[in-house]
Amino acid sequence: GQQVMQIPQYQHVQEGEDFTTYCNSSTTLSNIQWYKQRPGGHPVFLIQLVKSGEVKKQKRLTFQFGEAKKNSSLHITATQTTDVGTYFCADDSNYQLIWGAGTKLIIKP
Amino acid sequence: DTGVSQDPRHKITKRGQNVTFRCDPISEHNRLYWYRQTLGQGPEFLTYFQNEAQLEKSRLLSDRFSAERPKGSFSTLEIQRTEQGDSAMYLCASSPAEGGYTFGSGTRLTVV
Repeated sequence: GQQVMQIPQYQHVQEGEDFTTYCNSSTTLSNIQWYKQRPGGHPVFLIQLVKSGEVKKQKRLTFQFGEAKKNSSLHITATQTTDVGTYFCADDSNYQLIWGAGTKLIIKP
Repeated sequence: DTGVSQDPRHKITKRGQNVTFRCDPISEHNRLYWYRQTLGQGPEFLTYFQNEAQLEKSRLLSDRFSAERPKGSFSTLEIQRTEQGDSAMYLCASSPAEGGYTFGSGTRLTVV
């Protein structure tokens, strides 16, 4: 079945550094959604990307959808402690979300 | 509160017992989903309703699992004869037709 690969599994950054997580698939992705899950919390919808090559920004967050619709990325500029959590990508395909494994953002003390 | 509500938040049960969880979606959303999440993993799809019709069901949903959405409003997920492997967070989500899921806070099930 379809798989969505997401890397890295963890990223440790100093507060103020940038963070990036990548998703890719061997098959064409339908619509990519990004979610944030705080420790002990539930996934919270961030954004949906639909079009090839689409780039969307939310304050310090930049989301990209690849030209071939086989990859996507989330970049956070100048991380803050409030950014801590696990970021998931998910392909919205056939009325179900196929999830990546998530990238955990950890801010070094 | 206009979000997705799930009840209970936590459930501890003995192996072999039956459990039932409830989800109240956002009232304007006609699509409702159940997912299961274990520690360190992304959620896994279990089942999907559009209004009262159950349109998709994962192979993960064995015969011990059943979900209903009578009248197209709230939904229930029942697990019969629970096993330790059923221990997980059970997440409910709803969405409008144009996408973007709103998740509830989940029900954490522990089977002892």
